[in-house]
Amino acid sequence: EIVLTQSPGTLSLSPGERATLSCRASQSVSSTYLAWYQQKPGQAPRLLIYGASSRATGTPDRFSGSGSGTDFTLTISRLEPEDFAVYYCQQYSRSPGYTFGQGTKLGIK
Amino acid sequence: QVQLQESGPGLVKPSETLSLTCTVSGYSVSSGYYWGWIRQPPGKGLEWIGSMYYSGITHYNPSLKSRVTMTVDTSKNQFSLKLSSVTAADTAVYYCARGPLPGWFDPWGQGTLVTVSS
Repeated sequence: EIVLTQSPGTLSLSPGERATLSCRASQSVSSTYLAWYQQKPGQAPRLLIYGASSRATGTPDRFSGSGSGTDFTLTISRLEPEDFAVYYCQQYSRSPGYTFGQGTKLGIK
Repeated sequence: QVQLQESGPGLVKPSETLSLTCTVSGYSVSSGYYWGWIRQPPGKGLEWIGSMYYSGITHYNPSLKSRVTMTVDTSKNQFSLKLSSVTAADTAVYYCARGPLPGWFDPWGQGTLVTVSS
């Protein structure tokens, strides 16, 4: 089973700062099936990035995704107040199917 | 605009079967895509339960496979989840979502909390 490990677990930053979130896979994954989600309290996750680097419809261009193989990164270039949330990475492999990282909580400093 | 809405009992007794339905609007479930279920225990992360195609093809998380059944009702534009022999560990918010397989999930329903307790 491919395990996704996100770091840091918690990140405290101020509006206007740059955020860099990491997702590391226990073995190589296909970039085509690497996605990032944003989840705010009491809400369902929302797709931000798919295919490791493609922004979903409605995702602001301050969000960018990069990486390949086992190391992937979500970058928020300049934090807005609405960006403080929990972020999950997700991958698909033949077995066991979809797996998610444990999440990174982005909080206001 | 595609929208998904979960429905079902919020409380299930241990050893019984959890049953949820996802009603889709703005898109026909038989037009393509896989349709999936994901759950999130309170305060924890996300776990994929399974995905199915309207033709009946299913893919389940191996860790839950023995207890999961997914079905689709194209006439009602709905798909459903049954999880048998539930325990307290199955207490979670259950989400339905659309997604290609392989791929990602978009959009998601708002989620429904199911508590397993006597």
